[in-house]
Amino acid sequence: ETGVTQTPRHLVMGMTNKKSLKCEQHLGHNAMYWYKQSAKKPLELMFVYSLEERVENNSVPSRFSPECPNSSHLFLHLHTLQPEDSALYLCASSQTDRVPGGTQYFGPGTRLTVL
Amino acid sequence: AQSVTQLDSHVSVSEGTPVLLRCNYSSSYSPSLFWYVQHPNKGLQLLLKYTSAATLVKGINGFEAEFKKSETSFHLTKPSAHMSDAAEYFCVVSDQKGNLFGNEKLTFGTGTRLTIIP
Repeated sequence: ETGVTQTPRHLVMGMTNKKSLKCEQHLGHNAMYWYKQSAKKPLELMFVYSLEERVENNSVPSRFSPECPNSSHLFLHLHTLQPEDSALYLCASSQTDRVPGGTQYFGPGTRLTVL
Repeated sequence: AQSVTQLDSHVSVSEGTPVLLRCNYSSSYSPSLFWYVQHPNKGLQLLLKYTSAATLVKGINGFEAEFKKSETSFHLTKPSAHMSDAAEYFCVVSDQKGNLFGNEKLTFGTGTRLTIIP
């Protein structure tokens, strides 16, 4: 459970605020992911970084801005969010060694509430 | 394209009775399949995974799942439910096709909430 950590665990922000979510993985992995989990919807993949390069962006609004300074850290910068952005934001990491069946390990998430 | 369907959004069983959580998948390639569990206010924890080895996969906490290609199913079972099993369970498929960088794209089901009756 301590392999992937996320801070803060809870965040309440107004629509005009700017905040950042932080994720850190201690597993030696080389890929990191941001997911959004909303009530009654499947997990939505937002961003993928592999070897510190963004390789996928699933049409996420520009008010979400990711940053991956190194293979162990991942940030999600937030600005001018909307109430519908309230959700649980999950970070995950994996090892991209081309072996089928690679597993993603998840952090505990940040519960975001936008007022 | 790949997809996964969890047939029940909510399952209730009595403590000590068997658990069955159903999952069907669709994949264009040889799939990897996973079950994750999410306890309240926690992240997702891997229960077990299938990656084209043995079709009966044993996971943590007494759970197991059987890959049935002919039925495109990967149902999760446990012989005897414990109160601590109450959680949300997600079936996940990956087509192993990955992308240029080799990392796999996971497709999640909508989840099954398991309630254990004392």
